[in-house]
Amino acid sequence: DTGVSQDPRHKITKRGQNVTFRCDPISEHNRLYWYRQTLGQGPEFLTYFQNEAQLEKSRLLSDRFSAERPKGSFSTLEIQRTEQGDSAMYLCASSFVSPDEQFFGPGTRLTVL
Amino acid sequence: QKEVEQNSGPLSVPEGAIASLNCTYSDRGSQSFFWYRQYSGKSPELIMFIYSNGDKEDGRFTAQLNKASQYVSLLIRDSQPSDSATYLCAVNGPSSASKIIFGSGTRLSIRP
Repeated sequence: DTGVSQDPRHKITKRGQNVTFRCDPISEHNRLYWYRQTLGQGPEFLTYFQNEAQLEKSRLLSDRFSAERPKGSFSTLEIQRTEQGDSAMYLCASSFVSPDEQFFGPGTRLTVL
Repeated sequence: QKEVEQNSGPLSVPEGAIASLNCTYSDRGSQSFFWYRQYSGKSPELIMFIYSNGDKEDGRFTAQLNKASQYVSLLIRDSQPSDSATYLCAVNGPSSASKIIFGSGTRLSIRP
């Protein structure tokens, strides 16, 4: 399978716990993006990487969220001290620099109890 | 004003007819425009992209872009029940050519 993969697909956690998600992009793609999507809304941009460099981060992203892409391949998104409002689908996408069409992974659905 | 606006629907179209989905955007500097299809519980799937004014056709899909009017549309010809989904319009963001801003999506229902 040469598409974007994400792990885990589902995560249920209690409020206050930390969670970490992983994304493996399409292997030739050097850009990797994280989005969050809630019911009835389009995906909301969180952050993106070009190779290992984090080039942009949404102003909406609190300090509890951190993302890494240490070797320019896979990426992790960590949420510390989860809150019920963090419950959402977390989507990862990847692309070339040009063309910049983004391809999405299956997502990780987070439920915070 | 939202950066990317779409009618939430639902838009109901008979099977075999043309479905027309519309989107407006606020930033005149946007250069890249995308249409994604999203089935319930699934992630978005890229179906069309367009960069230049005019029409772009791919099979049963036609994307139309009018930068002067800041308007993007998607036409689906010979609509099939499998086209029933939410269609997301996305535009590259005002401050970053790499960040794309999504609309809230239009729910399309194809009735047999």
